[in-house]
Amino acid sequence: NAGVTQTPKFRVLKTGQSMTLLCAQDMNHEYMYWYRQDPGMGLRLIHYSVGEGTTAKGEVPDGYNVSRLKKQNFLLGLESAAPSQTSVYFCASSYAQAYNHPQHFGDGTRLSIL
Amino acid sequence: GQQLNQSPQSMFIQEGEDVSMNCTSSSIFNTWLWYKQDPGEGPVLLIALYKAGELTSNGRLTAQFGITRKDSFLNISASIPSDVGIYFCAGFSGGSNYKLTFGKGTLLTVNP
Repeated sequence: NAGVTQTPKFRVLKTGQSMTLLCAQDMNHEYMYWYRQDPGMGLRLIHYSVGEGTTAKGEVPDGYNVSRLKKQNFLLGLESAAPSQTSVYFCASSYAQAYNHPQHFGDGTRLSIL
Repeated sequence: GQQLNQSPQSMFIQEGEDVSMNCTSSSIFNTWLWYKQDPGEGPVLLIALYKAGELTSNGRLTAQFGITRKDSFLNISASIPSDVGIYFCAGFSGGSNYKLTFGKGTLLTVNP
């Protein structure tokens, strides 16, 4: 029962480098989300997708891009990493964003920008 | 935007004690969710509440959906060391809004 799998689990980048975080879900969920978690800030939504080929901005989208080319995958890209993007990133998915379909989370990617 | 006020921010309790935490909002929510996050892992859903006034239990955990639809409570009875973690409330307002609003979390420490 893989559920939501995030790759990589840890990464250290230098300022200005780019990278892509991968999220894969095997539950046939339509909706997928990327959050960042910072101390004392809870979970903040970066981008989300309501289906294959669609993406939308969340609460804190600046500096990030996303793509949903396949239903099971949701990619989060940092084009030019900045120290302010040091955080723990969580991907989540849900069958639908209806009241009875809660989100399921991956175990996170810990990203440090030097 | 919508905000959830979760309290307390942290709790230090002795094993065997009961715990209570809550979330309040100025906005109405149609669904309240409670998640737990263990160190180094992602949040895991504990309890989901779908109707105002609903009281739902999951083992030693009990959560309630406030009558006003602007608050929710989570109680843990007879705490044990593995209850340690961060507890998050989350609200969903429904309609065309696809987003969950999360509280900032309650860090629970249980002393054996």
